[in-house]
Amino acid sequence: QSALTQPASVSGSPGQSITISCTGSSSDIGDYNYVSWYQQHPNKAPKLIIYDVNSRPSGVSNRFSGSKSGTTASLAISGLQAEDEADYYCSSYTSISIPVFGGGTRLTVL
Amino acid sequence: QVQLQESGPGLVKPSETLSLTCTVSGGSVSSGSYYWSWIRQPPGKGLEWIAYAYYGGSANYNPSLKSRVTTSVDTSKNQFSLKLSSVTAADTAVYYCASTLGYYFDYWGQGILVTVSS
Repeated sequence: QSALTQPASVSGSPGQSITISCTGSSSDIGDYNYVSWYQQHPNKAPKLIIYDVNSRPSGVSNRFSGSKSGTTASLAISGLQAEDEADYYCSSYTSISIPVFGGGTRLTVL
Repeated sequence: QVQLQESGPGLVKPSETLSLTCTVSGGSVSSGSYYWSWIRQPPGKGLEWIAYAYYGGSANYNPSLKSRVTTSVDTSKNQFSLKLSSVTAADTAVYYCASTLGYYFDYWGQGILVTVSS
């Protein structure tokens, strides 16, 4: 099962909005609404920020939102803040009943 | 809130078996709602799912590691474990344990760095 494809890096200025894409296939993102997103600050464990494509866990800012179209999922962050600077990973359930991660995207807040 | 803590050796020799334990607090490994996962991250690289176990005894493994991995749940200690055999330098990574609800990882341990070196 191949890893999902994410851009290596994205950047934005404080207050702006950005989107991170996550491209899979008909065997994962395209066939299941089980995409999740994780935020990882340096030397910290990943933190769940979006699950089931567009649901937010309790306590996660509503500046984070998720969506899906076909075989591509997206994470949008509005009103960028310095604390959003981190690595972001997508994950999807797959047709062979295992999860797969994307390669990760480093977000830089300029 | 569920809390997880990894434990085990930080240094393993090549060809030996890596053994880690994850202790769960604030929740029960016998919860029928949860699977219990292991995920790793080589230094400077991305996340790789390794395996998950269910308290009833079932488990599922990453096909790329399946021949070398075993995971299980110990309900008496509220723990779950990972064993990875025949390790090489490529297995050097931070290993995370995580609770898995549905199809996502909702709580994570802090991670433990395991280095494979003689």
